[in-house]
Amino acid sequence: DAKTTQPPSMDCAEGRAANLPCNHSTISGNEYVYWYRQIHSQGPQYIIHGLKNNETNEMASLIITEDRKSSTLILPHATLRDTAVYYCIVRAGQIIFGKGTRLHILP
Amino acid sequence: DAGVIQSPRHEVTEMGQEVTLRCKLISGHNSLFWYRQTMMRGLELLIYFNNNVPIDDSGMPEDRFSAKMPNASFSTLKIQPSEPRDSAVYFCASSRSGTGIYTQYFGPGTRLTVL
Repeated sequence: DAKTTQPPSMDCAEGRAANLPCNHSTISGNEYVYWYRQIHSQGPQYIIHGLKNNETNEMASLIITEDRKSSTLILPHATLRDTAVYYCIVRAGQIIFGKGTRLHILP
Repeated sequence: DAGVIQSPRHEVTEMGQEVTLRCKLISGHNSLFWYRQTMMRGLELLIYFNNNVPIDDSGMPEDRFSAKMPNASFSTLKIQPSEPRDSAVYFCASSRSGTGIYTQYFGPGTRLTVL
């Protein structure tokens, strides 16, 4: 399984775009990139996933580089409710969570 | 649509007692995962089932832990006897397998405190 590297924490001003990076240089061809988040005292919440192409849904956008060695999760207009730990996971089989990035949205 | 349902939401028990945690899958899902989360160890996968069959229980800490799926929509995680180090938040998650994509939907968790 590919390992992922994420910054332990990030700050973002409310209303601005939050860009969360993830490095996964050892990713293999059949491994998807998943993003989850965990708001305090809640269960993890699925956000988005992708294989090669960029993806967008109602929550976020996922940008995967052409060599697939890194990706960025974009929250286009961050709100205080987006304060959470964000997990980047690269996995062909079952999902294993690392330490994630703790995102603080500043008012 | 109802999400994953877990009960109880909070459990406080004394060391040595039996604890049973319950989970109801999302309708139509056929994979079930049990996780444990602590500050020290983060979110750990304990066991997962596919179509009611345990596939990987390598994360189960020891024989005091057991998990079952008596039917396709319901699972239990039992700890007997419980110990203070079992104190954690226990999550279950469900997904629809078979497509190669394992998007999991988590329940709200059960916060277990063993005194």
